[in-house]
Amino acid sequence: SQQGEEDPQALSIQEGENATMNCSYKTSINNLQWYRQNSGRGLVHLILIRSNEREKHSGRLRVTLDTSKKSSSLLITASRAADTASYFCATRTGGSYIPTFGRGTSLIVHP
Amino acid sequence: GAGVSQSPSNKVTEKGKDVELRCDPISGHTALYWYRQSLGQGLEFLIYFQGNSAPDKSGLPSDRFSAERTGGSVSTLTIQRTQQEDSAVYLCASSLIAGEWVTYEQYFGPGTRLTVT
Repeated sequence: SQQGEEDPQALSIQEGENATMNCSYKTSINNLQWYRQNSGRGLVHLILIRSNEREKHSGRLRVTLDTSKKSSSLLITASRAADTASYFCATRTGGSYIPTFGRGTSLIVHP
Repeated sequence: GAGVSQSPSNKVTEKGKDVELRCDPISGHTALYWYRQSLGQGLEFLIYFQGNSAPDKSGLPSDRFSAERTGGSVSTLTIQRTQQEDSAVYLCASSLIAGEWVTYEQYFGPGTRLTVT
């Protein structure tokens, strides 16, 4: 079963708008990572947030983590057509070396 | 430096045939993972190698699937007697050592798209 689930499954926005996608998980985690996947091929790591952190920034990306709600959000500001991709969250739980991925959010940014 | 490479990039095979998929991880990365991704789905964990430790095979879906990692570097995923449901993109990833309380980012290869006809 999936540990993390992204929401929404699909998101379509205009260039320049912000895109927000969420990840909910079931059990306590050590950390949570967000990845991007273009064209159904390899994934690219975006950002890692640890369980004792609440917010991290990287360029136009902002990730928040709410461990009480077992959820994380990824915000992409001032989106660009090149941001069109699928976005996955991956969680690691204590004692496991294996990140578990959700099904992803498919983002389309229209130019 | 070079990233994770996988070969072949595409493989079409007939049902019942065996296939071998190859992964070359980043040099120095001791952790290696295989995942499978079906169309529109998330990543399904298959197997994990860490240094010289016994691999974690808990994700392999059946005994038709096996993998090995030679010399702590190159890995081969073998699927015997392929079935149509094996059709998917097979992704390999490597990372620096993954300790219980330490996580390093995974670097993914471009994947092998397997089609079983």
